[in-house]
Amino acid sequence: DAKTTQPPSMDCAEGRAANLPCNHSTISGNEYVYWYRQIHSQGPQYIIHGLKNNETNEMASLIITEDRKSSTLILPHATLRDTAVYYCIVPSGYSTLTFGKGTMLLVSP
Amino acid sequence: EAGVTQFPSHSVIEKGQTVTLRCDPISGHDNLYWYRRVMGKEIKFLLHFVKESKQDESGMPNNRFLAERTGGTYSTLKVQPAELEDSGVYFCASSQREAGGNEQFFGPGTRLTVL
Repeated sequence: DAKTTQPPSMDCAEGRAANLPCNHSTISGNEYVYWYRQIHSQGPQYIIHGLKNNETNEMASLIITEDRKSSTLILPHATLRDTAVYYCIVPSGYSTLTFGKGTMLLVSP
Repeated sequence: EAGVTQFPSHSVIEKGQTVTLRCDPISGHDNLYWYRRVMGKEIKFLLHFVKESKQDESGMPNNRFLAERTGGTYSTLKVQPAELEDSGVYFCASSQREAGGNEQFFGPGTRLTVL
């Protein structure tokens, strides 16, 4: 899996957009970027993934730079329930997921 | 549609005893994974089944761990004999294979405490 780098923690006010960055400078041309999150004491939860185009679903948006060396996960209107550890993962094909330390996002009232 | 389920949710055993964890994947998912998080560490991969076959078991820590998936449906993970360092949360996940896809659905985990 390509190595990813994320800030250890971020804060966000409730109702504001949360923008979580991830660097993956060693990503290869056919590798996807995946985002998962783990809310305290629960199993990890898939959020979104992308290859080169920006993606949006009901949970979040994923912005991938043109050179694909970094990406940003955007939670447009963060709520208290979005407080979690967010993981940016670049798996190699249909392989296992390698979870790093992720970013602890704290959403405050 | 039911998600991934795991049983038990918690297990407390003494060192040297045996424990069996069970995972029921989402119906129709050929891929089944086991992961675990030990205290203060990151979530680590243990092994991957494709149907009933072990695709990758490179993450299994030692031969005290035995995983099975008879019939390609549910899976069990047996720890025998359990050691103190086996304490942690064991997660199971399942997925379907599709082009470009590696979306895994995780269960709630089994919290194992070895005393």
